[in-house]
Amino acid sequence: DTAVSQTPKYLVTQMGNDKSIKCEQNLGHDTMYWYKQDSKKFLKIMFSYNNKELIINETVPNRFSPKSPDKAHLNLHINSLELGDSAVYFCASSQEQGNTIYFGEGSWLTVV
Amino acid sequence: QQQVKQSPQSLIVQKGGIPIINCAYENTAFDYFPWYQQFPGKGPALLIAIRPDVSEKKEGRFTISFNKSAKQFSLHIMDSQPGDSATYFCAASMNSGYSTLTFGKGTMLLVSP
Repeated sequence: DTAVSQTPKYLVTQMGNDKSIKCEQNLGHDTMYWYKQDSKKFLKIMFSYNNKELIINETVPNRFSPKSPDKAHLNLHINSLELGDSAVYFCASSQEQGNTIYFGEGSWLTVV
Repeated sequence: QQQVKQSPQSLIVQKGGIPIINCAYENTAFDYFPWYQQFPGKGPALLIAIRPDVSEKKEGRFTISFNKSAKQFSLHIMDSQPGDSATYFCAASMNSGYSTLTFGKGTMLLVSP
């Protein structure tokens, strides 16, 4: 059983398109996250949700909009995709903020 | 402002060697220090973690050394194997409020056969 699963794993799309990445966790955790990993492998927090409520919203363009329909799901919608959005996006979850985070396998987004 | 500084950026050791990866932090309120291991094409996974009430923690071949006064912690991999080749991230967080993990920039480790 995959603890944190995200789809799609690979996504190639043209500039200007809108796309979504879905994430689900079956660990019963209260907190979910989106991280972005750039080409230099730097991991940067984008958003954090606790029980469906937005807790952390780092300096991310408002073209990125997270949605949490319930505490097991956190989806990421990206409008008007730009070349610089190309990266690996990781969904993650934890029981509490600041403790062990469990990551999904990542979604490789390439904007052409 | 980078709150967790990690070095070196990359490291090559021979099989059986002891790679050491170092991290330094600035925020004295941090009280949880994990290390994550990431293989190509996979998400990071927790390897080992320490809290500041101890100076060392060992799990198998992996050891964290922690120096609270210097605000530094390091990962040692004993008897390294080619299968340990991966990117390693240190991180830190506060166990209060709405803190989340702040990651170092990662160290790419290659263990040659």
